[in-house]
Amino acid sequence: QSALTQPASVSGSPGQSVTISCTGTGTDVGGFNFVSWYQQFPGNAPNLIIYHVTDRPPGVSDRFSGSKSGNTASLTISGLQPEDETTYYCFSFSGVRTWVFGGGTKLTVL
Amino acid sequence: QVQLQESGPGLVEPSGTLSLTCAVSGDSINIEYWWSWVRQPPGKGLEWIGKIYHTGVTEYNPSLKSRVNFSLDKSKNQFSLNLKSVTAADTAVYYCARDGDFRFDTWGPGFLVTVSS
Repeated sequence: QSALTQPASVSGSPGQSVTISCTGTGTDVGGFNFVSWYQQFPGNAPNLIIYHVTDRPPGVSDRFSGSKSGNTASLTISGLQPEDETTYYCFSFSGVRTWVFGGGTKLTVL
Repeated sequence: QVQLQESGPGLVEPSGTLSLTCAVSGDSINIEYWWSWVRQPPGKGLEWIGKIYHTGVTEYNPSLKSRVNFSLDKSKNQFSLNLKSVTAADTAVYYCARDGDFRFDTWGPGFLVTVSS
């Protein structure tokens, strides 16, 4: 069971859009629509921002959106704001009774 | 509004057993949710440890399965983690979380456990 692959870092300027990828295999990301995304600020617990690949919990800004193509899920943040600067993790069902996180991506707002 | 709170010893000796409890308030653990544990070594990413259903059914990370055990205490509305034969690599912030419909919708604040003599 290997961690899902995320870029270590991404960056963008305020107002721009950035996309964070989460690459797995056909037995995890590609095989099921159970990908979720979490935003984590230093010293805090993660917070759910996307689930079931594309769904947003109540209260989460519509600037956050999710998608999937093949074995890669993506989180897109549009209209980038300084407060979006933090670390993001993907999470997916990984076959028989196991689940796996991505390695995390640090977003820098330039 | 459901709230979770981890507690336990913050220091565990190498080869010992790490034991943590997650107290649930605002809802009963005896409902159709899974109750999960996730950990994060200092400066590193998140690792799924496993989860327990309200019926007691468990699912564990294969890499930890031989050392980990979860349990429920419905009378106290809490669930627990035991991890045996710990090493320094088990030093981490441990989070408990509610797992509803394949997503962690509620998290505890996290609890740092250090493995050291």
